[in-house]
Amino acid sequence: DTEVTQTPKHLVMGMTNKKSLKCEQHMGHRAMYWYKQKAKKPPELMFVYSYEKLSINESVPSRFSPECPNSSLLNLHLHALQPEDSALYLCASEDRGPGELFFGEGSRLTVL
Amino acid sequence: GQQVMQIPQYQHVQEGEDFTTYCNSSTTLSNIQWYKQRPGGHPVFLIQLVKSGEVKKQKRLTFQFGEAKKNSSLHITATQTTDVGTYFCAGPLDSNYQLIWGAGTKLIIKP
Repeated sequence: DTEVTQTPKHLVMGMTNKKSLKCEQHMGHRAMYWYKQKAKKPPELMFVYSYEKLSINESVPSRFSPECPNSSLLNLHLHALQPEDSALYLCASEDRGPGELFFGEGSRLTVL
Repeated sequence: GQQVMQIPQYQHVQEGEDFTTYCNSSTTLSNIQWYKQRPGGHPVFLIQLVKSGEVKKQKRLTFQFGEAKKNSSLHITATQTTDVGTYFCAGPLDSNYQLIWGAGTKLIIKP
């Protein structure tokens, strides 16, 4: 069982919808990540929060908006997505870098 | 920019045969990590190698980090059906320590 919890596991949304992905970890890790993974590809870094501050934004389109309400929670707000944004969205946490990443099970997103 | 190349893309083996995947970095790495992702699953950390020439074993899995810290390998002896999945290597960028991922090697057990 993973110690990083992601909800929802599956999400189908239209291009005009607004939705959010949620991630929670209770390991006291200082950094939290959002990755995007397309089929047969490695994870692709989107955002990194370190001590609740956005430290890395890998030139992600503004239709993806991250939020870190506290050290245990990470959200990814989605708005006006495109079908090509359909992917597995993975949250991960890390105690101290560059170290082991603990991944959640992911949220599989389909944009119609 | 920094790159991590991983080969092969796929490897088909009979159960009981060995499996090896290789990673090569364009630059010296401070460390290299290995992850396994089962079909339909999420990446799971296997190991981190830090020292030049390091060799670590986990049961049937043997991990090596090259002397120049630019290459690494994962070898599985006598594969089992539970080994099926994609194995990724990943090493940190010099600039911000974020991981660069290899493309992954998918281990497929022939029926």
